[in-house]
Amino acid sequence: DGGITQSPKYLFRKEGQNVTLSCEQNLNHDAMYWYRQDPGQGLRLIYYSQIVNDFQKGDIAEGYSVSREKKESFPLTVTSAQKNPTAFYLCASSGLSGLPNTGELFFGEGSRLTVL
Amino acid sequence: DAKTTQPTSMDCAEGRAANLPCNHSTISGNEYVYWYRQIHSQGPQYIIHGLKNNETNEMASLIITEDRKSSTLILPHATLRDTAVYYCIVRVADQGGKLIFGQGTELSVKP
Repeated sequence: DGGITQSPKYLFRKEGQNVTLSCEQNLNHDAMYWYRQDPGQGLRLIYYSQIVNDFQKGDIAEGYSVSREKKESFPLTVTSAQKNPTAFYLCASSGLSGLPNTGELFFGEGSRLTVL
Repeated sequence: DAKTTQPTSMDCAEGRAANLPCNHSTISGNEYVYWYRQIHSQGPQYIIHGLKNNETNEMASLIITEDRKSSTLILPHATLRDTAVYYCIVRVADQGGKLIFGQGTELSVKP
């Protein structure tokens, strides 16, 4: 079945370590997104990519890095520079071209990162 | 900043209609209104979207005012499983640009 897969679902890391979260989609979508969600809060955009080998910063990009080497993959690295990395991370994808293009976002089930 | 404003929370009795409002007074002519919902600790789920006509699907109805500055999501017969945070966002359908979510409305469906 087509969909978007995030891994791992739960992750624990020590302070100061870099962590990479995986996001893979087989929907042939051009655009991919990373959001962060803190308890009781809405989603905040970290990075997004509209095409392979290109990406843009969202509202809270500091302390994060991404790559888009393949259309189906958009991994997020939480670096040691991120001051408060403990959060729920959500990846999403969206089609840009072709019919029917509803512009709907498809979300993964999320990755919950806890920094000890 | 989010381009939409929603009430922080709402209650609804089970079996009754839930009407969730959203203001988007700065919406552009080519922007659609989308609604998503998020059940605790899961990824958001698409509900419905529209441009200017009212829309209905198996989950909900979307009523957009004639001036397109506000809209209402209607869950016709709310169930306990509809308890979730509901997000209203505006975007251009065929672009993959920056997508901003607001705080959403926390809907509690009570028995």
